[in-house]
Amino acid sequence: AQKVTQAQTEISVVEKEDVTLDCVYETRDTTYYLFWYKQPPSGELVFLIRRNSFDEQNEISGRYSWNFQKSTSSFNFTITASQVVDSAVYFCALSEPYTGTASKLTFGTGTRLQVTL
Amino acid sequence: DAGVIQSPRHEVTEMGQEVTLRCKPISGHDYLFWYRQTMMRGLELLIYFNNNVPIDDSGMPEDRFSAKMPNASFSTLKIQPSEPRDSAVYFCASRLGQVISGNTIYFGEGSWLTVV
Repeated sequence: AQKVTQAQTEISVVEKEDVTLDCVYETRDTTYYLFWYKQPPSGELVFLIRRNSFDEQNEISGRYSWNFQKSTSSFNFTITASQVVDSAVYFCALSEPYTGTASKLTFGTGTRLQVTL
Repeated sequence: DAGVIQSPRHEVTEMGQEVTLRCKPISGHDYLFWYRQTMMRGLELLIYFNNNVPIDDSGMPEDRFSAKMPNASFSTLKIQPSEPRDSAVYFCASRLGQVISGNTIYFGEGSWLTVV
């Protein structure tokens, strides 16, 4: 069975601080995708990034970066120089094997990030 | 490009009433998903369609819930009769079902349902 664990329920930081959101996953599959989604206070789910299980390169997009380590089954998300607009709930998700229909996503319980001035 | 469009955004209804949630997927996407988000259970998949055909409805909580996809651009999720425990945010999502697309699922803004 697949499982995604986001152990940090809530994180509070002051603007301009760096913050890392942890994600640990469990799967017996070798082909899968990992995702991060953002849910701002307005409620919609916004896609942030997708990572293939065979691609362990770290990725940087502006102030966002992602560290995928297959050896530890982790896919952590770092926000550098956080801003108030980063305040949201962040979800990590794991797909079924993409050699099949890969249709189901298993979501973590989310980490609520609060960035204050 | 337009994203996934859901209606209504907010619905408050009385227990026992029928509720219909609507979804228009992203044009060209061949997979459509209905998710529910609650505080207790987080985000859970209710049902998904491929090319308008229901593939897996094992997440549908009970017979009071039904979903249809009469064509590629429209789907409904119906609850009849509604109960207070159905209060949740219901998300519709769609995906272009090709591996090259990375199986990224795009979500709508959600329908916030309150059953009183």
